[in-house]
Amino acid sequence: DTEVTQTPKHLVMGMTNKKSLKCEQHMGHRAMYWYKQKAKKPPELMFVYSYEKLSINESVPSRFSPECPNSSLLNLHLHALQPEDSALYLCASSRAPGQGDSYEQYFGPGTRLTVT
Amino acid sequence: RKEVEQDPGPFNVPEGATVAFNCTYSNSASQSFFWYRQDCRKEPKLLMSVYSSGNEDGRFTAQLNRASQYISLLIRDSKLSDSATYLCAVTFLTSGTYKYIFGTGTRLKVLA
Repeated sequence: DTEVTQTPKHLVMGMTNKKSLKCEQHMGHRAMYWYKQKAKKPPELMFVYSYEKLSINESVPSRFSPECPNSSLLNLHLHALQPEDSALYLCASSRAPGQGDSYEQYFGPGTRLTVT
Repeated sequence: RKEVEQDPGPFNVPEGATVAFNCTYSNSASQSFFWYRQDCRKEPKLLMSVYSSGNEDGRFTAQLNRASQYISLLIRDSKLSDSATYLCAVTFLTSGTYKYIFGTGTRLKVLA
């Protein structure tokens, strides 16, 4: 099973709202990722968690706040977003260093976010 | 220079044609290499990993040239259903984890 699930599928929020995106995987992967993807662009890395610790933050604005409650779950808390933050938000997972020899990354279906 | 570069296309090819994509990378410390397929408004799906010895999966063949720092994907006997954007991905170890860098993607349209 190479499934990564994400909820919600679609989200419309105002600039003053607070919302959260959720991601779950049961592949035993200890690395989890958040990406942002705009139309006709590649996925752009935001955050990486490795063994439940934040290991990479690609200078993402503080209005995006990641959380990794356990090895299967990853959240992205959103607050005071701007219209330009509208995009497809993708979660992914892979083995972490020390977990094996192959590091294929698997994506969830994404949350399509619109900020009004 | 971008870390990972691809020709954006589009490549318009007739059904049954053979088409090849290249992807160049700049970081010589890159360790793993992958091809993904992405359909419109969907997530990237792993197509295949790319190994130094080259690997094949049905109509798809991937190759890695570390000396010249590029990877390639060959699709034989193209089907209409192969129409998609093909993204290459390169990983390297940093901050105790693997970072994946994606190319801009190459659009393929297979025409009837």
